[in-house]
Amino acid sequence: DTAVSQTPKYLVTQMGNDKSIKCEQNLGHDTMYWYKQDSKKFLKIMFSYNNKELIINETVPNRFSPKSPDKAHLNLHINSLELGDSAVYFCASSQRLAGSGRETQYFGPGTRLLVL
Amino acid sequence: AQKVTQAQTEISVVEKEDVTLDCVYETRDTTYYLFWYKQPPSGELVFLIRRNSFDEQNEISGRYSWNFQKSTSSFNFTITASQVVDSAVYFCALSEASNAGKSTFGDGTTLTVKP
Repeated sequence: DTAVSQTPKYLVTQMGNDKSIKCEQNLGHDTMYWYKQDSKKFLKIMFSYNNKELIINETVPNRFSPKSPDKAHLNLHINSLELGDSAVYFCASSQRLAGSGRETQYFGPGTRLLVL
Repeated sequence: AQKVTQAQTEISVVEKEDVTLDCVYETRDTTYYLFWYKQPPSGELVFLIRRNSFDEQNEISGRYSWNFQKSTSSFNFTITASQVVDSAVYFCALSEASNAGKSTFGDGTTLTVKP
């Protein structure tokens, strides 16, 4: 069973469209994340979601919104897609967001988004 | 503001060589977390380690080891007896406790291990 899954794996869409990427984890973790990796391979965290607390990276446009229907899911909605949104989006989960433990993070396989 | 510098953009070694990937960070927080991730050519992201700022003990996991030096704000990663499968991009990251959930990544070091 895949620990963290994302759908779809590939997404090609037109500018201006609204799209969603789904993420599910079956690890019973409390914390989920969304990361963006751009065409230059630079990584950036977009959101962390922990026990219904959403932590947003202030550089993320408000066209991006995470939605968590339950602890196992953190979906990413993107409105009015722009060319610059083309990237690979990774979902991840961990037991806790912070703490002294050496929590492991588990990543989904990534969703490759191409905006035309 | 937090910052992570991976000065080595690319490193190339021959199999069985030891290699160290450097990571230097900047933070004003006294409590923070440091991470290393691996991204092989297949593109997935793999978590390698997380260390908090109060845990300065060096860590060894098989051929991997990490050296945390608070005095020099460094968290270097060494692969001993490198193998072709170690070829990947390695990212170092920092997360401040006061900004929990807003980690900053270095630009990554591309390691190529040749047979």
